[in-house]
Amino acid sequence: ILNVEQSPQSLHVQEGDSTNFTCSFPSSNFYALHWYRWETAKSPEALFVMTLNGDEKKKGRISATLNTKEGYSYLYIKGSQPEDSATYLCASRDDKIIFGKGTRLHILP
Amino acid sequence: DSGVTQTPKHLITATGQRVTLRCSPRSGDLSVYWYQQSLDQGLQFLIQYYNGEERAKGNILERFSAQQFPDLHSELNLSSLELGDSALYFCASSVEGLADEQYFGPGTRLTVT
Repeated sequence: ILNVEQSPQSLHVQEGDSTNFTCSFPSSNFYALHWYRWETAKSPEALFVMTLNGDEKKKGRISATLNTKEGYSYLYIKGSQPEDSATYLCASRDDKIIFGKGTRLHILP
Repeated sequence: DSGVTQTPKHLITATGQRVTLRCSPRSGDLSVYWYQQSLDQGLQFLIQYYNGEERAKGNILERFSAQQFPDLHSELNLSSLELGDSALYFCASSVEGLADEQYFGPGTRLTVT
């Protein structure tokens, strides 16, 4: 993998359901993996920074895991709420920063 | 409010011109990052400064330059502007660098006509 790739591009989830999506990144020269939440007409907001293989981080209903050997990270949202609707971006950091194109999450009432 | 400020909010200018975008980081943050978001591309990393020195460079064009001043504010200079330079330019700051959370400013919307 030469780029950072996120899947799916877009996701519709019923309110109350849990969901997850993936970020794949180049595993060579890896230093850190960043997750951001980006609402329309606002700026990206930092969720997590992860550096260690096997790392798991949690903030409220949102959590993330990291596998640096195979080059992927998962973001999980438990019990989705309308305010979770946003684009979730990941970015890989080695000697520069590369962003994925994001997963657009829509929560259906 | 992230604590990062950017001026101006909007800028409209003509092709061939030069503009300067300004960023003030959060109090205590030593690193400043510049990003470009254009319509057809995702967020692109341009450059990072740490305590006045260039730390990392991304896809920054030769027509673009940046610097970080002793008071830690940063400026991004864009010259010989082209239509394709129209984009939203974000500045972000962090305490130090690689593994710190970045706090994004509200962005400067540049329109080149």
